[in-house]
Amino acid sequence: EPEVTQTPSHQVTQMGQEVILRCVPISNHLYFYWYRQILGQKVEFLVSFYNNEISEKSEIFDDQFSVERPDGSNFTLKIRSTKLEDSAMYFCASSEAGLGTKTENTIYFGEGSWLTVV
Amino acid sequence: KNEVEQSPQNLTAQEGEFITINCSYSVGISALHWLQQHPGGGIVSLFMLSSGKKKHGRLIATINIQEKHSSLHITASHPRDSAVYICAVRSVWGSSSGTYKYIFGTGTRLKVLA
Repeated sequence: EPEVTQTPSHQVTQMGQEVILRCVPISNHLYFYWYRQILGQKVEFLVSFYNNEISEKSEIFDDQFSVERPDGSNFTLKIRSTKLEDSAMYFCASSEAGLGTKTENTIYFGEGSWLTVV
Repeated sequence: KNEVEQSPQNLTAQEGEFITINCSYSVGISALHWLQQHPGGGIVSLFMLSSGKKKHGRLIATINIQEKHSSLHITASHPRDSAVYICAVRSVWGSSSGTYKYIFGTGTRLKVLA
């Protein structure tokens, strides 16, 4: 079973520090996503990425956040200057989704990276 | 009001019971996912559907587009089914590059007792 892998599984960082969360999507997938889940709250969409550019982003994804696919296999989420409220589980996901309503394109999630900002 | 509502929020069942988790949504969608979040936090996609019914093992998912409602059923429940079950809807329109937004429900925490 192909899987999305994320590193680190858990990171503790000081407020104001930069953090990079890494993801290796499924190899033949072309569409990539980051979501976050603050403890006790629902999962929230952050950003989607295709063809080396952001397709959509939510209001949460402000200038402190950036995404990159530096080498064709990794997909990274960078938080430039972390705040306490950035503490959350961050999920990477990937899919083969194409244009139109192709309902069989399911989305695969990684195990998540738990970020604690102190 | 949340665009995706799930009920119940918490559910405790005895092993072997038939379980139903409901999801109602108020937005137009192109597809609906049922996801399972393990106690450790990892998320697994169980079903993606846009009409009718799908079955996988002891799990059955149904959707009624007209009523904007979906249900996830678990037959012969087992303690290993204990997890948070999340309903997520996919937006009607994708971006020009083909990605879609997903809106997540708050989840239903299921505990199955032996």
